[in-house]
Amino acid sequence: QVQLVESGGGVVLPGRSVRLSCAASGFDFSHYDVHWVRQAPGKGLEWVAAISNDAITNNYADSVKGRFTVSRDNSKNTFFLDMNSLRPVDTAVYFCARERLAVAATSLDVWGQGTTVTVSS
Amino acid sequence: SYVLTQAPSVSLAPGQTAKIICGGDNIGSKSVHWYQQKPGQAPVLAVFDDLDRPSGIPERFSGSNSGNTATLTISRVEAGDEADYYCQVWDSDTDQWVFGGGTKLTVL
Repeated sequence: QVQLVESGGGVVLPGRSVRLSCAASGFDFSHYDVHWVRQAPGKGLEWVAAISNDAITNNYADSVKGRFTVSRDNSKNTFFLDMNSLRPVDTAVYFCARERLAVAATSLDVWGQGTTVTVSS
Repeated sequence: SYVLTQAPSVSLAPGQTAKIICGGDNIGSKSVHWYQQKPGQAPVLAVFDDLDRPSGIPERFSGSNSGNTATLTISRVEAGDEADYYCQVWDSDTDQWVFGGGTKLTVL
């Protein structure tokens, strides 16, 4: 079935780096734009980053621009979020999600279960 | 940057109709999408493009969008509808996706 599975979360020291991965299955991954969305403890959803199906276009939230990088490997049906210079405020559950196929930017129709990143000394 | 405003909570009895509001500047000119998130779970797309439902979402869920307000309507509310609901748009000016702060629906 259509599925996204995140990995790579954990506890990390402030200022350090971590890479999250999202493995896709059950659909033609190379056709879809994909996103990262995070949720701090007890808070709402915050969009983080997106990458186009061909990896030509990346977009970032202002809060992570210059520190986070999104990338993908279509040959492995996987995309990534490289998180650098981490801060305690980056502590959150990170969800990967698929953007629904459409002519224009639209909604996120498939979500992973999330992976937790805790930034703490 | 574009801001979406939602009331923090709404409470009502089973069988009543819930209207969850999402406010934004001229939001009627954008496509609005709604997500349902139950505790400890990933969000689920409930309504997309203002009023369309993905397969598997009950017909009790509907949406509308005009002026400065988008609305998610849940008819005949059930205990299983208790969740957080988020609206979302794409901001073409910044090429960023934006979520509202979320509304917690409590079924009394």
